[in-house]
Amino acid sequence: EVQLLESGGGLVQPGGSLRLSCVASGFTFSSYAMSWVRQAPGKGLEWVSAIGGGGRSTYYADSVKGRFTISRDNSKNTLFLQMNSLGAEDTSVYYCAKALRPSKVAGSFDYWGQGTLVTVSS
Amino acid sequence: AIQMTQSPSSLSAFVGDRVTITCRASQGIRNDLAWYQQKPGKAPKLLIYAASSLQSGVPSRFSGIGSGTDFTLTISSLQPEDFATYYCLQDYNYPWTFGQGTKVEIK
Repeated sequence: EVQLLESGGGLVQPGGSLRLSCVASGFTFSSYAMSWVRQAPGKGLEWVSAIGGGGRSTYYADSVKGRFTISRDNSKNTLFLQMNSLGAEDTSVYYCAKALRPSKVAGSFDYWGQGTLVTVSS
Repeated sequence: AIQMTQSPSSLSAFVGDRVTITCRASQGIRNDLAWYQQKPGKAPKLLIYAASSLQSGVPSRFSGIGSGTDFTLTISSLQPEDFATYYCLQDYNYPWTFGQGTKVEIK
């Protein structure tokens, strides 16, 4: 059974940093691209970042480029999102999501984590 | 960035109704579009990928069609469990972008 379990969310002050983790199980993690998608309270979905299975290819939304870094440790089946220079606009539930097809970085996500809430406030 | 415009933003329908949601891209995106369903407090669920391919396990009352700039998600006979918010997502180029969502409510 595929499972994605996010952690690392919490309350952080403006300008601060936070690192999210997503531990995957039930599939060959290194074969699949992964993404982060976020949702501000009461708002719609926003794609944040994607990474290829090998970890070399990374992609970002304009709103986070230069502040967020996506990475993965395939030996630990774990996806990360390092978030720096956080602002109130980054307050959201952050979901990790698995690509539908192996070896393809695409926006069809067949499994999602439960989400982790990041709140940026003083 | 490619803008995805969904319509309507919300709709009310009866159980058994045929429901259609549209998504328009600000430029051509071939068939690089997915549809998601999200219920309150839950993660999104993939319904359709590549504009018209039904995800495994999704009921056949859901269908998608479109290519280029105009796409449609149809629910042929609305069921009680279909009341949710629906989003389209283009992955034709980066940054990938979602539509603003369509909330389907009970009439």
